[in-house]
Amino acid sequence: EDKVVQSPLSLVVHEGDTVTLNCSYEVTNFRSLLWYKQEKKAPTFLFMLTSSGIEKKSGRLSSILDKKELFSILNITATQTGDSAIYLCAVGGGAQKLVFGQGTRLTINP
Amino acid sequence: DTAVSQTPKYLVTQMGNDKSIKCEQNLGHDTMYWYKQDSKKFLKIMFSYNNKELIINETVPNRFSPKSPDKAHLNLHINSLELGDSAVYFCASGHLQYTGELFFGEGSRLTVL
Repeated sequence: EDKVVQSPLSLVVHEGDTVTLNCSYEVTNFRSLLWYKQEKKAPTFLFMLTSSGIEKKSGRLSSILDKKELFSILNITATQTGDSAIYLCAVGGGAQKLVFGQGTRLTINP
Repeated sequence: DTAVSQTPKYLVTQMGNDKSIKCEQNLGHDTMYWYKQDSKKFLKIMFSYNNKELIINETVPNRFSPKSPDKAHLNLHINSLELGDSAVYFCASGHLQYTGELFFGEGSRLTVL
């Protein structure tokens, strides 16, 4: 069965800190790994990764995939209180669905 | 225009009742999904429809019955509601051939008393 595990489950840091969120996976016929941010309502898309070693970047957020070791990281630099959210990792495989991890709850204190 | 819209956003009901949640997408996607998010925020897939055809049914109790009248709509009907059904139900859409980004609705929070 496809499986996605995120760590840590919860993280509290101060504004300005840099954080790294982890996602490991086991999936049949891997196609893509996605990161989502969920604040109060719907998850919103951050990145999709399909190739190893190629960093995706958007402002202070960046992500990279390692298909050999089956994991991805999401980095956030110079964190702000608006980064507080649940970050979800999901993997798409041969079963034509996205399987989600349990999420990392990130809290940024001023 | 809202891309994926769900109604109602909130639903409070008694155990044993039957309720429905509706979902519509205007993105032209061929596949729609229902996900359940529990109190620990774990998003778990329930169903997937591609062009009105059921393609994924993840061992969900048969009290849950999805219906897709056309590829832009996917409704969820729940019979004989139980306390454990309390959760946020998210509808999402995407393209089946390309397991990439899913677009989510804002969720329907169901509370069973």
